[in-house]
Amino acid sequence: QLQLVQSGAEVKKPGSSVKVSCKASGGTFTTFSNYPICWVRQAAGQGLEWMGGIIPISATPNYAQKFQGRVTITADESTRTVYMELSSLRSEDTALYYCARDPGLPVKAFDIWGQGTMVTVSS
Amino acid sequence: EIVLTQSPGTLSLSPGERAILSCRASQSVSGSYLAWYQQKPGQAPRLLIFGASSRATGIPDRFSGSGSGTDFTLTISRLEPEDFAVYYCQQYGSSLFTFGPGTKVDIK
Repeated sequence: QLQLVQSGAEVKKPGSSVKVSCKASGGTFTTFSNYPICWVRQAAGQGLEWMGGIIPISATPNYAQKFQGRVTITADESTRTVYMELSSLRSEDTALYYCARDPGLPVKAFDIWGQGTMVTVSS
Repeated sequence: EIVLTQSPGTLSLSPGERAILSCRASQSVSGSYLAWYQQKPGQAPRLLIFGASSRATGIPDRFSGSGSGTDFTLTISRLEPEDFAVYYCQQYGSSLFTFGPGTKVDIK
């Protein structure tokens, strides 16, 4: 069974960047590489916000317009890890960041989630 | 970008009662790519329904989804104590995902 394990909490200064990792364990090669892994964030007490995603085998990312130019999502098939880097951090980026798998058609939703990584932006 | 609106914001019910949650889209959701999630405090969201009406693996049959186009509904036929949580709808279209703001189901 595929599981997604994320890196630990981060505290960053405004204007800096953060890079969060999401490593797949279990499952098969194709259950990781052939399906999009996306990033979804959630500020405290707020709703869910899709940031973008990538299909590891194609390495072509797709970003929400809101984050275009500030987010970079990459994948390393050899280590079964997806990364999300967010730059020019501001206080409003303080949130819990999740990675999640989209099993593709006909689902087009997120069936497996990481445990979340807390990113705090504070001077 | 398709905007999702959920109502009500909060639903106060007792165990055993029926819960009906609404999700409305600003434009028609293509292919009925509409999903529902349950989220409890301190936990990641859990996929309940995809394709507007298909239950995800392991989801009890008291959860059902319906709707098409712009209007979708999640029904919990008889609330169990573990069902009190926040519920989000989510749509997919044009390579983008968007979520609704959520409905909190709490104990009356």
